[in-house]
Amino acid sequence: AQSVTQLDSQVPVFEEAPVELRCNYSSSVSVYLFWYVQYPNQGLQLLLKYLSGSTLVKGINGFEAEFNKSQTSFHLRKPSVHISDTAEYFCAVSEINSGSRLTFGEGTQLTVNP
Amino acid sequence: GAGVSQSPSNKVTEKGKDVELRCDPISGHTALYWYRQSLGQGLEFLIYFQGNSAPDKSGLPSDRFSAERTGGSVSTLTIQRTQQEDSAVYLCASSTTGTESNQPQHFGDGTRLSIL
Repeated sequence: AQSVTQLDSQVPVFEEAPVELRCNYSSSVSVYLFWYVQYPNQGLQLLLKYLSGSTLVKGINGFEAEFNKSQTSFHLRKPSVHISDTAEYFCAVSEINSGSRLTFGEGTQLTVNP
Repeated sequence: GAGVSQSPSNKVTEKGKDVELRCDPISGHTALYWYRQSLGQGLEFLIYFQGNSAPDKSGLPSDRFSAERTGGSVSTLTIQRTQQEDSAVYLCASSTTGTESNQPQHFGDGTRLSIL
């Protein structure tokens, strides 16, 4: 079975600072990787996904993530954050050829302060 | 176009009552998923429907939980004899197909269930 660990439950940063949200996964088979964002009282919105190919993936709202197979990591980054990026961020995996259920990390609350 | 629609958005009920939560997926999406989001448990998979195939019920926490999907579209999640630990946000998602696990899932805004 797969598992996902988000190493930081809360990340406070100042506006226009860079940010990295860390995600590590464990699986006995190959996986697809996703980052979702959840704004208060809303569902999850897909930020980006890694399926194959280039290990650097660009998503919406200026976010990007890098897949590192040897370190089983998929960290999310943004070079300059805005107040509006304040939200909870979830890393998720699904196992290739094993169905589509997502396994989520515990989430990281990103708070951007002025 | 319309996204995944869930109703009600909030539900408060007394312990022991039955509740039904509804999900209307994006038109044309053949795969439908239910997840539960609760404090201390994070986001948990509950059940998955793909077309006319038998659903994957492996995430349902007890036999008080059941779900059906009529006509390959709308789904209803039913919780019988609710307990306080059932309090959570129940999220529904759909995707174009579930057989290819690379298809992104589109989520509704959830139903916030509170058991008194």
